[in-house]
Amino acid sequence: LAKITQPISMDSYEGQEVNITCSHNNIATNDYITWYQQFPSQGPRFIIQGYKTKVTNEVASLFIPADRKSSTLSLPRVSLSDTAVYYCLVGGDNQGGKLIFGQGTELSVKP
Amino acid sequence: DAGVIQSPRHEVTEMGQEVTLRCKPISGHDYLFWYRQTMMRGLELLIYFNNNVPIDDSGMPEDRFSAKMPNASFSTLKIQPSEPRDSAVYFCASSLGPGLGGTTDTQYFGPGTRLTVL
Repeated sequence: LAKITQPISMDSYEGQEVNITCSHNNIATNDYITWYQQFPSQGPRFIIQGYKTKVTNEVASLFIPADRKSSTLSLPRVSLSDTAVYYCLVGGDNQGGKLIFGQGTELSVKP
Repeated sequence: DAGVIQSPRHEVTEMGQEVTLRCKPISGHDYLFWYRQTMMRGLELLIYFNNNVPIDDSGMPEDRFSAKMPNASFSTLKIQPSEPRDSAVYFCASSLGPGLGGTTDTQYFGPGTRLTVL
């Protein structure tokens, strides 16, 4: 099974751009990459999903290089309310059919 | 829609007791997932259902754990007998599809049940 790795924690300040990179070396041809956000005492919540190159929505951007072995979640101008754990998720065929969550990156935004 | 509903939100029990966690998925979602979250192991998929049928239960830790989905709007995760190491937050999630093999289905998570086994 593929291993998904991402930094355990990151610190930032309000107004800064934050980039969190996820490594997924064994991603299968058909797999999409999805990022979730989790606040304390809540379930994870979908942020963004992509297959290749760049995807942008009102919350974040997702950058995926041509080899797709990694992806970077970019949060522009973070605020205190962006303090959460961010999970990288790669699904499917190369994971034994399981959806594998990474360990999560705990982002702490300071004033 | 109210989203995925889980009950109870908190459960404290003693070792050896039976524990039943409940989940109501979002109406119209054909897939239902049970996860367990701990500090040590992170978020683990235990089992998932498609149209009420268990598809993959390889994540269920041992025979003490069982899950059922008697209809499209209700699922249970049962632990019998419970042990202290079962203490964790259990999440239920639902989606239109499995998010596998080229699909792009988003999973919607419930608020979780925090289980403490003394």
